[in-house]
Amino acid sequence: EVQLVESGGGLVQPGGSLRLSCAASGFTFSSYWMHWVRQGSGKGPLCVARISGDGRTISYADSVKGRFTVSRDNAKNTLYLQMNSLRVEDTAVYYCARDQSPGWFDPWGQGTLVTVSS
Amino acid sequence: DTVMTQSPDSLAVSLGERATINCKSSQSVLRSSNNKNHLAWYQQKPGQPPRLLIYWASTRKSGVPDRFSGSGSGTDFTLTINNLQAEDVAVYYCQHYSNVPPTFGQGTKVEIK
Repeated sequence: EVQLVESGGGLVQPGGSLRLSCAASGFTFSSYWMHWVRQGSGKGPLCVARISGDGRTISYADSVKGRFTVSRDNAKNTLYLQMNSLRVEDTAVYYCARDQSPGWFDPWGQGTLVTVSS
Repeated sequence: DTVMTQSPDSLAVSLGERATINCKSSQSVLRSSNNKNHLAWYQQKPGQPPRLLIYWASTRKSGVPDRFSGSGSGTDFTLTINNLQAEDVAVYYCQHYSNVPPTFGQGTKVEIK
């Protein structure tokens, strides 16, 4: 069974950092682009970072560029999102999602909640 | 970025009736390279992640009930739910994948009347 499991969310003060992880199983992880997608309360999803299967091609949403870093360890079947200089507006549920290439997302993990508040 | 706009924001439909959700993209998502519309539809129930229903604008994912159907081309798309069931109460999102970044609509909430 294809499965994605996120971890690492929590409460952090503005300006703080968090590292999210997404453990993948049930498929050949290194063959797929992966995305981090966040969803604020009552809002539509927003893709914040994407990374190619070999980790060589990466892109970010403008709202997180320079603050977030996506990476992957294909030996560990794990995707990461390092989030620095966090802002209140980064508060959201963060999902990892597999890109079926050419670009629909399936499946999604269950998500991990990040709350940025003082 | 391509902006995806859904309408209505919410709708209430009686059990067994039809729900129709519209999605409009700010630029065409039909790619000449493969003559396909790069558009997907998702269902999201409370406390759950989005679930893929349809891709290529009209191809149902395996296991999705055939009461769900997608149509449209270019910039205008529709998700239709025939014979609405109680378990279809959810928020539905369209998403384009014709270029980077992929973007989603704001969602349409479907409720039972």
